[in-house]
Amino acid sequence: EVQLVESGGGLVQPGGSLRLSCAGSGFTFSDHYMDWVRQAPGKGLEWVGRSRNKPNSYSTEYAASVKGRFTISRDESGNSLYLQMNSLKTEDTAVYYCARSIVNTARYYFDSWGQGTLVTVSS
Amino acid sequence: DIQMTQSPSSLSASVGDRVTITCRASQGISNYLAWLQQKPGKAPKSLIFAASSLQSGVPSRFSGSGSGTDFTLTISSLQPEDFATYYCQHYNSYPPTFGQGTRLEIK
Repeated sequence: EVQLVESGGGLVQPGGSLRLSCAGSGFTFSDHYMDWVRQAPGKGLEWVGRSRNKPNSYSTEYAASVKGRFTISRDESGNSLYLQMNSLKTEDTAVYYCARSIVNTARYYFDSWGQGTLVTVSS
Repeated sequence: DIQMTQSPSSLSASVGDRVTITCRASQGISNYLAWLQQKPGKAPKSLIFAASSLQSGVPSRFSGSGSGTDFTLTISSLQPEDFATYYCQHYNSYPPTFGQGTRLEIK
């Protein structure tokens, strides 16, 4: 069974930093694209960024709203995905989900989701 | 970015009803369209990919159709556990974007 477990959320001041983790199990982590998606309180879903799989050198893509501030990486020795968030803004307050992506005719869609971790940016 | 617009934004229905939610993309996305279900306080759950293919374990009362810019999600006979918020999402290009959601409530 695929399991994704996020951790690392909490309260941080504007301008601060936080690192989220996502631990995967039940599948070969390095074979899969992995994404971060967030949801502000009472709002809809917003894609944050992606880490491609090992054959694609774990290359990354980011949403314009976080590019230059957030960095996605992986633990190559294990089954973990990270989201390093710097220069945090109040509008980054959200539940952050990690999601596994699956290929469908050369495009990737989310097929499994973690339970999410809440990040609150406030003074 | 491709804009995804769902209608209606909310919907009241009864157990046993047939309901349809529509999703329109601001430009053609072929069939690279997914539907997700989210219950309050829970993570999203993937229901449908490639516009009409059911994820493993999703009941057959859920179905999807469409291609290009116009898509639909249909629930043939609502069950109590289906009352939730539904999102469409394209994955044709970067960035993947979501519709604003359709909240399905009990009448």
